[in-house]
Formats: sequence, C-alpha cells, structure tokens
Amino acid sequence: QSVLTQPPSVSAAPGQKVTISCSGSTSNIGYNFVSWYQHLPGTAPKLLIYDNNERPSGIPDRFSGSKSGTSATLGITGLQTGDEADYYCVTWDSSLSAPVFGGGTKLTVL
Amino acid sequence: QVTLRESGPALVKPTQTLTLTCSFSGFSLSTKEMCVAWIRQPPGKALEWLALIDWEGDKYYSPSLRTRLTISKDTSENQVLLRVTNVDPVDTATYYCARIPGKSNYFDFWGQGTLVTVSS
Repeated sequence: QSVLTQPPSVSAAPGQKVTISCSGSTSNIGYNFVSWYQHLPGTAPKLLIYDNNERPSGIPDRFSGSKSGTSATLGITGLQTGDEADYYCVTWDSSLSAPVFGGGTKLTVL
Repeated sequence: QVTLRESGPALVKPTQTLTLTCSFSGFSLSTKEMCVAWIRQPPGKALEWLALIDWEGDKYYSPSLRTRLTISKDTSENQVLLRVTNVDPVDTATYYCARIPGKSNYFDFWGQGTLVTVSS
C-alpha cells in the first residue's frame, strides 16, 4: 500500500491531453515539493517535474505539474505513442523522514 | 556528465546477505547537501524507496526495512553500497540508485538498475 495514491491506469488518444492525480496528506504533499517520473520497463526512471511544476532541461513543455493542498497533478498534452509508460509521483514525508512514492499510473495512448 | 551504475549478484539464495554497489561519476558525494539513494521495483509492482545517504554520512532507511538495510559510502571511490541481510524471494527486484541534488527532495539522475533474483 503506497503512501501516495495514484490511479492505476489512464488512457487517451494520440494528440489528446491526460492528467494523472497524486493524493497524499499534510505530512507529505501538503508541506513538501512533489516530483514526477516517467518509467519505461527496463530503463532508468526519468525526472519529468520537480518542485511541483519545474521541468528539467530537455523535458518538453507538453509535461506540466501542479499542486493544490494535499494533491498534485501531472498533465501531458499532445499525447504521443512514445509517452506510453508508468508515471510516479514522489515527495518527502515529514512524519516518516523519508521519500514516499505513489503506486504508479500506467498511461496507455490508444 | 552525471552517471550512476548499479552492480551486484544477479542471483542470491534465501537468508543470504545481498550487497549492491552504486558507482557514480560527474559529481562528488562530499559536495554539500548531495545525497545518493537506493530504490527498488519488484516485478509488476511500484517503485519503493529503500535508503539514502547524504554528504555528511547521515543515513535514512525505509521504516519497513530498517532492520535489514545498511547503506554506506566510499567517497574516494565514488561508490555507495547497500547491504540487505536475510533476503527472501520477496526481495526479488530491480534495484536502482539515484542522485538527490543539493537541498532538494527529487531524484535527478538514475542508474539503469540491476535485477536481483532471490531463489534457492
């Protein structure tokens, strides 16, 4: 059971937009920055968003992040088949003194 | 250029101790507020944080695995080690190491991972 809650799967057509939610609590998302990762099986996870809404260099602006209260959201516009992957949210939990992960969301681009 | 690479045995027997090495380049773990973490992913399951060590040698562990994990660093060799004692088949997973840059809580660079199977 993950500390952060994500939907197991989302899907959308190529070119469309999708959002992935990440729900936590005041001890984690509520008071700490959230980051998002894209993970293709057999590869290294890739940092997409850090500090709630910042993109590392090289990440296209099709990817965006936001946070409100104890929830965070990853948005992906202009979906491409290459975006099919698992997506994870991560933040620090002040009560656990540890990073915590969401359960992951599998994105299918139909 | 920051790179990390995990290495270790592909197969270990139940009850044995697993030792993994994260060899990195492009940064120094003696740099203030730099950290290296270990994360794993059992087959078909989510990523799970295991442990991290910071530039001062302070260590943090997953509460659920604390008693079985030991993380250490060799700054001169640019390596971080993770020891997992008394392994069980449920420890079968791909193990990743990742960097946490200064004064942040995100993992900006990851290794490719190493698959460890626990089986007799």
